[in-house]
Amino acid sequence: DGGITQSPKYLFRKEGQNVTLSCEQNLNHDAMYWYRQDPGQGLRLIYYSQIVNDFQKGDIAEGYSVSREKKESFPLTVTSAQKNPTAFYLCASTSDRYFVGYTFGSGTRLTVV
Amino acid sequence: GENVEQHPSTLSVQEGDSAVIKCTYSDSASNYFPWYKQELGKRPQLIIDIRSNVGEKKDQRIAVTLNKTAKHFSLHITETQPEDSAVYFCAARGRNNNDMRFGAGTRLTVKP
Repeated sequence: DGGITQSPKYLFRKEGQNVTLSCEQNLNHDAMYWYRQDPGQGLRLIYYSQIVNDFQKGDIAEGYSVSREKKESFPLTVTSAQKNPTAFYLCASTSDRYFVGYTFGSGTRLTVV
Repeated sequence: GENVEQHPSTLSVQEGDSAVIKCTYSDSASNYFPWYKQELGKRPQLIIDIRSNVGEKKDQRIAVTLNKTAKHFSLHITETQPEDSAVYFCAARGRNNNDMRFGAGTRLTVKP
């Protein structure tokens, strides 16, 4: 599935719940990213990681957390502190050695119920 | 950091006509400009890109032009087909790989 897999495709969250979105890549890419997509606003960067055990906040990190314990995996947790989490979440990866743009996962649509 | 603006937000053309989408960027150090196509509910897919040392690049019916002086770049689609209907995003990479900024997207509709 293009080398980068996101799961689940659809996720429903109750108020006050934490949920975790999975992102796995087998492209041997160094850098991984999480974006949030809302209608009419393009893609906004939540967190990114260039190396295992290190990650940096993006533009809209509040209410989210990540980990990078393995090169292949970059899970995103949407915490109860995120007041408006309903959105389409995209994970992406790229190689730092020769930058050819991002490869995106197929996305997770998160809905608060 | 980089800031990217994209116009128009929606574009409707007749099949066979051309479509042009324009983006401007703010960081003069930006050096990589990809265009992505996203069909409804699917992942963005890279369709063409251009680096700052090139003024134009073409791939069959798709072309991208870059004007570094004016800090704008454009996507041109000729002989449009209904399957070209999608949302198109431009992006610009600033000073490093993590400084990639996306435009808000253009919803292109090609009417048969």
